[in-house]
Amino acid sequence: DAGVIQSPRHEVTEMGQEVTLRCKPISGHNSLFWYRQTMMRGLELLIYFNNNVPIDDSGMPEDRFSAKMPNASFSTLKIQPSEPRDSAVYFCASSLGTTGSYGYTFGSGTRLTVV
Amino acid sequence: GNSVTQMEGPVTLSEEAFLTINCTYTATGYPSLFWYVQYPGEGLQLLLKATKADDKGSNKGFEATYRKETTSFHLEKGSVQVSDSAVYFCALRTSQGGSEKLVFGKGTKLTVNP
Repeated sequence: DAGVIQSPRHEVTEMGQEVTLRCKPISGHNSLFWYRQTMMRGLELLIYFNNNVPIDDSGMPEDRFSAKMPNASFSTLKIQPSEPRDSAVYFCASSLGTTGSYGYTFGSGTRLTVV
Repeated sequence: GNSVTQMEGPVTLSEEAFLTINCTYTATGYPSLFWYVQYPGEGLQLLLKATKADDKGSNKGFEATYRKETTSFHLEKGSVQVSDSAVYFCALRTSQGGSEKLVFGKGTKLTVNP
């Protein structure tokens, strides 16, 4: 099992540019989560999908952020236009079930720097 | 709302010392509780979990007991190793109105010196 795969590992972009982060969940997992981690705010849940359908996007900071899950094996998180305050590590995680007893498996993250 | 409070770090210990990282929570209903560990440059890994009161989760010498009466889930290890140096996150998971969330504490950085 290759685990949750995120790409790219690092991304440096200029303010105003579009950024797309990618995630491949573990095969068979039916829930997918996008988190953002910063020193100031810790870990924040941005959005999650269940069976490819967005269930809760209340953590998405603003309209510049969007996420899609076109199929069970792929998800993207897009920021357009990017701003320096978006600099953070973005994690994708997947889970087998939706009940509380299931933990999440996290990817290694994408470190985004907006200059 | 649901929240997790864990002890502020950083925590610095010598090898073979006893470790306790405190975690308390506020939640509606009966959450499941988790400890995750994050090694430098990596994502979070599930360390252990407990799904109901009085359950004890354990893994790699770490233990935590779900205490409903004190709303706590403290992480302990009897003898830490240098390789345990990492950031530890306490978390809870509930389902509210069909929207499940894994809520994390702010993390506690542990450094173990040889």
